[in-house]
Amino acid sequence: EPEVTQTPSHQVTQMGQEVILRCVPISNHLYFYWYRQILGQKVEFLVSFYNNEISEKSEIFDDQFSVERPDGSNFTLKIRSTKLEDSAMYFCASSGTGVQFGKTQYFGPGTRLLVL
Amino acid sequence: AQSVAQPEDQVNVAEGNPLTVKCTYSVSGNPYLFWYVQYPNRGLQFLLKYITGDNLVKGSYGFEAEFNKSQTSFHLKKPSALVSDSALYFCAVRGANMEYGNKLVFGAGTILRVKS
Repeated sequence: EPEVTQTPSHQVTQMGQEVILRCVPISNHLYFYWYRQILGQKVEFLVSFYNNEISEKSEIFDDQFSVERPDGSNFTLKIRSTKLEDSAMYFCASSGTGVQFGKTQYFGPGTRLLVL
Repeated sequence: AQSVAQPEDQVNVAEGNPLTVKCTYSVSGNPYLFWYVQYPNRGLQFLLKYITGDNLVKGSYGFEAEFNKSQTSFHLKKPSALVSDSALYFCAVRGANMEYGNKLVFGAGTILRVKS
C-alpha cells in the first residue's frame, strides 16, 4: 500500500540554524500538507500546497518557514532560523482528488525536531 | 471557526468489551469528519471518515463511527476491544464549505487503554 515517507526521523539542531525536513508524498496525490505537534499538544495545521504554490497557511507559518516541491517526488519544509519553540513532531500529509477519496489526508511517520 | 472536542483524555476498557471514544465538532455548514490513530513513535494512521451518505461509517480494524448531525457528534466505536487497540485516537474535522480550505482541525486526542 502506498504511503507517505519522511526523512529524517529525528533531527537535533542548534537555535538559529536552518533545517530542511523532507517528505515523499503518495505518488498520484496532488495536495500536500505540513502539520506539527508540540509535545503534549494538539496536531496543528501549518500549510497546504497545490499546483506548485501555497494554497493555505496558518498564523504559525511565518516568514521563517517555507515549502518547496523541488522535483516530482519530494516536498520539503524549511525553517530558516530555528527557535526553541519550533521543537515538535512535524508531519507531512498528502491527499488525492475526487469527491470521496480526495478528502482523506494520509500522514507520514513524522520528523521529531529538537532545537537546543 | 472549526473546532473539535474530545472530552475524555483517557478511556479504559476491558478486552472483549465494547468501546466508545467520543468526539463533538463545531463547523459552519456540513462537516467532513475523520478518525486517526497514533501508535507510540508512529505517525497518524487513517481509520475512517464521514463525507456524505450513511451516518454509520465502517473503517479499518473493525472500527466504526456514527455521524449525528443534531448532536454534532462523531463517536468512534468498536463492538469488541483488543489489547492491540491501545493507542492515541484523534478526531478531526474539515468544513465542506470552500472557505475552510483543506486543512484538518484536530481534537486533543484520547488515549485508549485496553486491558486483558
